[in-house]
Formats: sequence, structure tokens, C-alpha cells
Amino acid sequence: EAGVAQSPRYKIIEKRQSVAFWCNPISGHATLYWYQQILGQGPKLLIQFQNNGVVDDSQLPKDRFSAERLKGVDSTLKIQPAKLEDSAVYLCASSFEGLGTEAFFGQGTRLTVV
Amino acid sequence: GNSVTQMEGPVTLSEEAFLTINCTYTATGYPSLFWYVQYPGEGLQLLLKATKADDKGSNKGFEATYRKETTSFHLEKGSVQVSDSAVYFCALTSSSGANSKLTFGKGITLSVRP
Repeated sequence: EAGVAQSPRYKIIEKRQSVAFWCNPISGHATLYWYQQILGQGPKLLIQFQNNGVVDDSQLPKDRFSAERLKGVDSTLKIQPAKLEDSAVYLCASSFEGLGTEAFFGQGTRLTVV
Repeated sequence: GNSVTQMEGPVTLSEEAFLTINCTYTATGYPSLFWYVQYPGEGLQLLLKATKADDKGSNKGFEATYRKETTSFHLEKGSVQVSDSAVYFCALTSSSGANSKLTFGKGITLSVRP
């Protein structure tokens, strides 16, 4: 079974530039998550999709971050414009519906803003 | 809201030592509890889980018991190996069915020396 695919693996941009990350979840998984993991901290949920609808985006900085999930499958996360404090690993995960089901994570995208 | 508190790290042990990593949680309803592990250079992966009170999750010699009375899910292993060196995250999902959200603790780094 193919896992969660993310690209790119690494990205270095200057502040005020824009960047986009892509995620392809495991086939059949209805739930898709984007997390931000700053060095030395636990993953923080940015946005959660159920199929192509947003379930929770309460911690997404909507003035600069946006995300979409086309046709309930692939998803993109965009930052525009980037700030230095956005330097982090961005993790995508997916799971079946329901309480107690395991979330499967991609390798993540390491973003460095200089 | 839901939260997970992990003991402060890092933790350094000698091979074959006993390991305990503490985790306590705050949640409404009846959450499911997880331990995720992140090996160097790899993505997050599920180590074990428990979905109801008094359940014991186990995998690769690690165990954790869901203790509702103390709201805890401590991770233990009787004899650690160098290959167990990684970052360990305690996590929970809330009891809101399809809209359940996966919340992580800060993580703790375990280093096992030969």
C-alpha cells in the first residue's frame, strides 16, 4: 500500500515570497490533516479536511496561509507571504473516518525562510 | 479544549535500561490515545494505541495502559536498544466521531547509548 506522499522534501525561500506544498493521501482516506512542526515542538494542527470540506481551520493563520483539497483527494497548502517564523516542517497525514483510527504521515516538507 | 502533557526531556539511557515516558491528557468525553515515534530522518509513525479505559497498547516491546482515573498513558519498555533512539509523541483524538482531531504533546527525545 502506498503511503502519504508529500513534495517537495525541502524548500528554502526568502521572506515575503510565496510557497506551496502538495500532499497525496492514502487512497480511500476521507480525512486529511496539515500540521506544522516547529523544531523542538509537537505537531500543531493547521487544517483538517473531511473529504473536500474543512472540519477545523481554527489555528490556520488565514491572512497568509490557505489550503484546498480538490475533489476530496490531493491537497495543497500555500503560504503567501512567508515570514521567518514559518520555518518549520509541514506534515500531511490522512486517516479513515472515525474515532480511534490511525493517522498515517508523510515524510514532511522542511521549509526554511531566510 | 483537548491537550496532552509529556514529561520534559531529553532522556538518555544505557542499552537494556528500563524506560518510562510520562503522558497525561485533558479531554472531553472518551478519547483514543496514541504513541507516535519519529526516527531520525523519517516521518511520524504509529507505535501503539488504546481506544478505551484499561486497554493496553503494545508494539516492539513498548507498552502503555489507558488509565482513565489518572488521565494518563505512560509509555514503558523493559529493555531499550540503541535502535529505539527517536522522538516520542503522545497524542489523542477527541470523541467527536468523524470530526475527531488528533492533538499531540510536545514530544520527548530518547537517546540510547551502547
